[in-house]
This record gives sequence, structure tokens and C-alpha cells, in this order.
Amino acid sequence: EVQLLESGGDLVQPGGSLRLSCVVSGFTVSSYGMIWVRQAPGKGLEWVSTITIGGDPYYADSVKGRFTISRDNPRNTLYLQMNRLRDEDTAVYYCAKDSGLKAFMDVWGQGTTVTVSS
Amino acid sequence: DIQMTQSPSSVSASVGDGVTITCRASQDISSWLAWYQRKPGKAPKLLIQAASSLQSGVPSRFSGSGSGTDFTLTITSLQPEDFATYYCQQGDSFPLTFGGGTKVEIK
Repeated sequence: EVQLLESGGDLVQPGGSLRLSCVVSGFTVSSYGMIWVRQAPGKGLEWVSTITIGGDPYYADSVKGRFTISRDNPRNTLYLQMNRLRDEDTAVYYCAKDSGLKAFMDVWGQGTTVTVSS
Repeated sequence: DIQMTQSPSSVSASVGDGVTITCRASQDISSWLAWYQRKPGKAPKLLIQAASSLQSGVPSRFSGSGSGTDFTLTITSLQPEDFATYYCQQGDSFPLTFGGGTKVEIK
């Protein structure tokens, strides 16, 4: 069964760091593009970052230079390293699998909550 | 960046009614559009990709159409489980962008 399981969300102070993990089962993380999406309280869905099959990263302007997407193929895990966190990064973060057709997301995890607050 | 504008932002309907949601892209995205359903406390679910291709397991009362800049999601004969928020998303180019969402509420 194809599954994504996120973890790593926590309460962190502004300026702090967190690393989110997304353990993949049912497929190989390097065989598909992988995506992070977030939803802030009361807001809509926001794309955060993508890593392509070839390993190329893409970022939303709001996180560029602060967040880093990566994957560990032996562990079959996707990561999002988040540095210099801001209040506006508070959200539920989802990892998702690229469907293989133009960056659409056909499998999602259950989400992990990041709260940035002093 | 490509802006995605959804309308309406909310709609009230009864079980059995039909609902149409529109999504407009700020530039031509060909057919590179997806629709997602989002229920409280649950992860988004992909309903339709490439504007009109229904995901496996999604009921046929859902359909998508459009190309270029204008797209629609139609739900015929609303069922109780369809009351949710729906989002469009363009996959044409980075940064990927979502519409603001349409909440389908029970009248």
C-alpha cells in the first residue's frame, strides 16, 4: 500500500529550526517527484517545495533560502529542513507524491503541525 | 507567477443538487490543472488531473472541463460526503499555485 507518514512538527520559537520527515512506503521515493504543501490556520493550500526525480529542488519565494528539500533513498524518506522560521510559517505541512503527470499530487500524508511562536 | 482564481468562494446546496465551480488562470496553462477535495482534519484528495481525467475510484458525478485559462469542476447530484472544500491547482510551471478554495456547504 502506498503511504506517506510525516513527522517532526513541533512548537518552535521564531528564528529556530525544524526538520520534517516523510517516510514513504509502497514506492521508491526517488522514482517520483515529491512535494511539500502547507496550510496555515484559516488559509488555503500553499505549495512549499518540490524535488524532481532528477533531484532538482524548487521552492516558493516565501521559503527560498530558508528551507531545503532533500531525500534519503536508502531510508526512502523525504525531508524538509526549515531554518530561520517565522510566525507565518505556522501551518500543517503535508508531503505528497507527484502523480507523474505535471506536478499533480495523487498521494498525501496526514500532515504534521508546525507552530512558530514565542 | 500564475495566479489561480476560484469562484464562488462558497456555495450552499442541497443533497441532489448540481454544483459548478470555476477556476481561472492568469495565463494559458493548457490542460495542466487539477482539482482536490479537502475535508476537515483530512488530507486533500486528488479528484481530477489534466483538467478532465478522473482519478481511479472517484465517483462519476464529478467531472472537469476546460483548457487554456478557464476551467470548471461540476458535481452532479451532490451526496452528503461531497460537502467539503475544493481547490484547483496549476501544474504548468513553478511556482505551483492553488486557487483560494470553494466551500460547498449544506443548505
